[in-house]
Amino acid sequence: EADIYQTPRYLVIGTGKKITLECSQTMGHDKMYWYQQDPGMELHLIHYSYGVNSTEKGDLSSESTVSRIRTEHFPLTLESARPSHTSQYLCASSEDRTAVGADTQYFGPGTRLTVL
Amino acid sequence: GESVGLHLPTLSVQEGDNSIINCAYSNSASDYFIWYKQESGKGPQFIIDIRSNMDKRQGQRVTVLLNKTVKHLSLQIAATQPGDSAVYFCAERTPFSGGYNKLIFGAGTRLAVHP
Repeated sequence: EADIYQTPRYLVIGTGKKITLECSQTMGHDKMYWYQQDPGMELHLIHYSYGVNSTEKGDLSSESTVSRIRTEHFPLTLESARPSHTSQYLCASSEDRTAVGADTQYFGPGTRLTVL
Repeated sequence: GESVGLHLPTLSVQEGDNSIINCAYSNSASDYFIWYKQESGKGPQFIIDIRSNMDKRQGQRVTVLLNKTVKHLSLQIAATQPGDSAVYFCAERTPFSGGYNKLIFGAGTRLAVHP
């Protein structure tokens, strides 16, 4: 069982609010990721990080931002939430090794966000 | 471009039957493949992986087959149980910029197990 945590698990907020979704892992993984997923649909990579002070945008454009000040922590922030941001947000991490298998991503339980 | 796609969005099987979930990939440079299981309300969980130098790998009740000739990956679940009901994703590791690798996820197949 991977040690990666996300809080809150569920969040219902009003339009215009600023929110931060937390993600922490205790495995010492250098790489971390954020995915957006609508129920029963595919995963879309929105942000990733190769390590401290590294952040990159993923394949799906997102109005959210991320930061990576500590190895174990990779929070995602929405400055002004809108109903179109309603979705599930999944955080993942993987090791930074060259061996095959090192890129296996371990996922947190997700945060289900609803913006009214 | 690069893509990982699944042939069937939903698969319904009877409890006790064997299940086969298929996945197609397009990047011949991909060297590592993973199957994930995602239950309702949870994040994807690692099931089994296979390297590109292998054709078959077996786990507990699961087998992954890789056919590099036609760029096809499959997950076989023996004696399917109600607890196997979930969405299954395949993922391929493919070279990315800067010497890094990237995991590309397929769209997912929902497996529904009926008693």
